[in-house]
Amino acid sequence: NAGVTQTPKFQVLKTGQSMTLQCAQDMNHEYMSWYRQDPGMGLRLIHYSVGAGITDQGEVPNGYNVSRSTTEDFPLRLLSAAPSQTSVYFCASSIVRGGLNEQFFGPGTRLTVL
Amino acid sequence: AQTVTQSQPEMSVQEAETVTLSCTYDTSENNYYLFWYKQPPSRQMILVIRQEAYKQQNATENRFSVNFQKAAKSFSLKISDSQLGDTAMYFCALVSGTYKYIFGTGTRLKVLA
Repeated sequence: NAGVTQTPKFQVLKTGQSMTLQCAQDMNHEYMSWYRQDPGMGLRLIHYSVGAGITDQGEVPNGYNVSRSTTEDFPLRLLSAAPSQTSVYFCASSIVRGGLNEQFFGPGTRLTVL
Repeated sequence: AQTVTQSQPEMSVQEAETVTLSCTYDTSENNYYLFWYKQPPSRQMILVIRQEAYKQQNATENRFSVNFQKAAKSFSLKISDSQLGDTAMYFCALVSGTYKYIFGTGTRLKVLA
């Protein structure tokens, strides 16, 4: 099992450009989510999905879109990048077992918007 | 609203010594889980230890243990016999009822040789 994979690992964009951060998991997990990590602010939830075809907003959804067409993939789209979106992005997947929702994280993508 | 607070932005400890990282939380749920994650310079988020709220016994994983005080809503992490490889950011997290995790702002721990 590869676990949770994210591509790319690093990305530099110019203001106004668009791009998609890829996330895939091979553990057949129902739940997937996207977080951003900023200094002094911990991890904040952007969007999440509880299954294929179902997505919902987290704490900081503005400027980001997601879709979940398959169980395995959960891409995050930046439609028009802004410097405020400079951050480290983590994708995570999880499954509820015995009442415990345990999350597994990808390696992260460091995004810089100039 | 659920919150997680880590009031120590940075800490340091001598190698082989013991250090305790603090975490307080707030939730109105009765059933929830608490976690400590380690984030080394590699950036990977690594689960260190977890605690089920319904269990009174404190969780232990090798050199890592927690002091879970449910009434006080406190969940501290104790690292014994600190090693240089323990140098990392440590995040406290809460999940209850819904799927959403709530993270604290992190404590940067440096282990000194």
